Amino acid sequence: DAGVTQSPTHLIKTRGQHVTLRCSPISGHKSVSWYQQVLGQGPQFIFQYYEKEERGRGNFPDRFSARQFPNYSSELNVNALLLGDSALYLCASSPDRGWGYTFGSGTRLTVV
Amino acid sequence: GIQVEQSPPDLILQEGANSTLRCNFSDSVNNLQWFHQNPWGQLINLFYIPSGTKQNGRLSATTVATERYSLLYISSSQTTDSGVYFCAVEKGGTSYGKLTFGQGTILTVHP
Repeated sequence: DAGVTQSPTHLIKTRGQHVTLRCSPISGHKSVSWYQQVLGQGPQFIFQYYEKEERGRGNFPDRFSARQFPNYSSELNVNALLLGDSALYLCASSPDRGWGYTFGSGTRLTVV
Repeated sequence: GIQVEQSPPDLILQEGANSTLRCNFSDSVNNLQWFHQNPWGQLINLFYIPSGTKQNGRLSATTVATERYSLLYISSSQTTDSGVYFCAVEKGGTSYGKLTFGQGTILTVHP
């Protein structure tokens, strides 16, 4: 079975641009979460979606948004990119409460 | 919010040595996971262990929920064990779905 898949793997954008990152959860998993990891730190929670509804949001500005589709895949959108948005963006999926989370390989975003 | 502290921050071992990594958390949790982040950035789930003890090969983990800590044991370390080890907790309730990570332990195993 495929794990959590993320695309693209690497991305270079210019300040002020917009970016869309994509995540496909493990088949049967209804929960998708997004995390940002800057160099030298642990991942920070951005969003969690369950059954296509936003269930949690971390301390990130409104430039960050996300959605979940009927097939449970998800997109993370970031508008008006800043240099500080350069990071590894990780997606995690889970079947339901109490089952733990499986992470994808991430998308490495560089803003220049 | 919940605080997660990991120790030590850095650990250097010779191949074959044993080690213990610790994770302290500030509140009761519904979920605790240990991850290994490889050099390419992928977080590999090692254990889902909100309480009790589990073993998987050379690795084992123990979580004492009532005392709010977890330990990860690595025995007979190998160079492939190098990387960053993260502990992450989920408090549950309104925080369901939100994993809070510690700062990690950077493990380097020399041949």
